[in-house]
Amino acid sequence: NAGVTQTPKFRVLKTGQSMTLLCAQDMNHEYMYWYRQDPGMGLRLIHYSVGEGTTAKGEVPDGYNVSRLKKQNFLLGLESAAPSQTSVYFCASRTGQASNQPQHFGDGTRLSIL
Amino acid sequence: SQKIEQNSEALNIQEGKTATLTCNYTNYSPAYLQWYRQDPGRGPVFLLLIRENEKEKRKERLKVTFDTTLKQSLFHITASQPADSATYLCALGPGNTPLVFGKGTRLSVIA
Repeated sequence: NAGVTQTPKFRVLKTGQSMTLLCAQDMNHEYMYWYRQDPGMGLRLIHYSVGEGTTAKGEVPDGYNVSRLKKQNFLLGLESAAPSQTSVYFCASRTGQASNQPQHFGDGTRLSIL
Repeated sequence: SQKIEQNSEALNIQEGKTATLTCNYTNYSPAYLQWYRQDPGRGPVFLLLIRENEKEKRKERLKVTFDTTLKQSLFHITASQPADSATYLCALGPGNTPLVFGKGTRLSVIA
C-alpha cells in the first residue's frame, strides 16, 4: 500500500497564478486533512473533510479551497497564489475522527510563490 | 486560549543517554495524546498514543507519560542513538475534532 500520496512534490508559482495540490489515500479512510507547515509555526490546519462530498474550515482557510469528490482524493486549490502561501503542505488521513485515531501523513508538497 | 507548547525548540544529547521531551497544554481536556516523529523532508509518522487514564505507555525504547493534573506529557527515548535524531511532535484532539499539533522539538543525538 502506498498510504498517502501527494502530488506534486515541488512547485514554484508566480504571484497570482493558480494551482491544485492532489492528495490520494488508499486506506479507505473517511477523514482527510490539509495542513501547512512553516518555520516556527508548526502544523496548522487549513481545511478538512469528514467524508466524501464534505469539507470544513480549519485554523487558516483563507486563500484556499478544497474538494472531496471521491473518498480517496482530497484536493487543495490556490486560486490566486500569494507569497504568504509559500510553505510546505501536508495531507493526512485517518479512519475516524476520534482523537484516539492516528493520522497518516504524506511527504508534503513544497510550494514557493515568487 | 487553547495552547500546546513543546518547551524546547531543540535538544542535543549524547548517544546512550535518555532524551526527555516535554509537551504542555492549556485549556484542553484531551482524552488522548499522541506523539509523532518527523524526519527532514518527510511527513510526520505516528509513534505512540496514550489515554488520559494511562499514566505511562511504553514501546521498545520509547516511554510516554500523561499527567492530566499537570496538563503535561513527557516523551522519553532511552539509550538514544544518532538514528533517533528527528523532530518530535505532540498532538491532541479535544473530542471528535481534528488533531492540533505542537511546534515540535528537534532532537539531535551526538555520537
